[in-house]
Amino acid sequence: DAGVIQSPRHEVTEMGQEVTLRCKPISGHDYLFWYRQTMMRGLELLIYFNNNVPIDDSGMPEDRFSAKMPNASFSTLKIQPSEPRDSAVYFCASSTGLAGDTDTQYFGPGTRLTVL
Amino acid sequence: ILNVEQSPQSLHVQEGDSTNFTCSFPSSNFYALHWYRWETAKSPEALFVMTLNGDEKKKGRISATLNTKEGYSYLYIKGSQPEDSATYLCAFNSWGKLQFGAGTQVVVTP
Repeated sequence: DAGVIQSPRHEVTEMGQEVTLRCKPISGHDYLFWYRQTMMRGLELLIYFNNNVPIDDSGMPEDRFSAKMPNASFSTLKIQPSEPRDSAVYFCASSTGLAGDTDTQYFGPGTRLTVL
Repeated sequence: ILNVEQSPQSLHVQEGDSTNFTCSFPSSNFYALHWYRWETAKSPEALFVMTLNGDEKKKGRISATLNTKEGYSYLYIKGSQPEDSATYLCAFNSWGKLQFGAGTQVVVTP
């Protein structure tokens, strides 16, 4: 398997523009997670899905952020409108379970977002 | 606010030396403790998942111990090599979600 795939790897945009980040989880993994990495807050969970259904979005910072998972092999994280404080590395991860004693999360390479 | 604390924040190790660092987490509602290795410009890579008090796990020269009663885990690197240079993250699983620490950055110099 190719692992978790994310695109784009780098995104530079201007404030106010819409940004869409994409993720393809590992085939057969029922859980998909979106994380954001910043210097101030470290690696924080934004939202996770189980079988394409959003389960917990309590980490989504505000209404400008939305995430969807239309099928088992694709998810998007959208920011509209984007702001400079959204600049961060966004990781997608997938797992077969909810981080139990054997359900490790596998991370994608991340998308480095810069909002000017 | 991070409930998971890692110390030190960074450390420099001479090649061949051994080192260790700590992850502290809440001792209540414990489910599992994960260790990840994160190299610059790459994605976090899972090292260990630990669930039982007194657990010890080993992978090559890297090992980890777990004390759930007092809420800490140690990660050890024996005979450090330059390729061990990375940030080591621990993550506390509470109620099914992972809370990550800020990491310990390890730099191994030849």
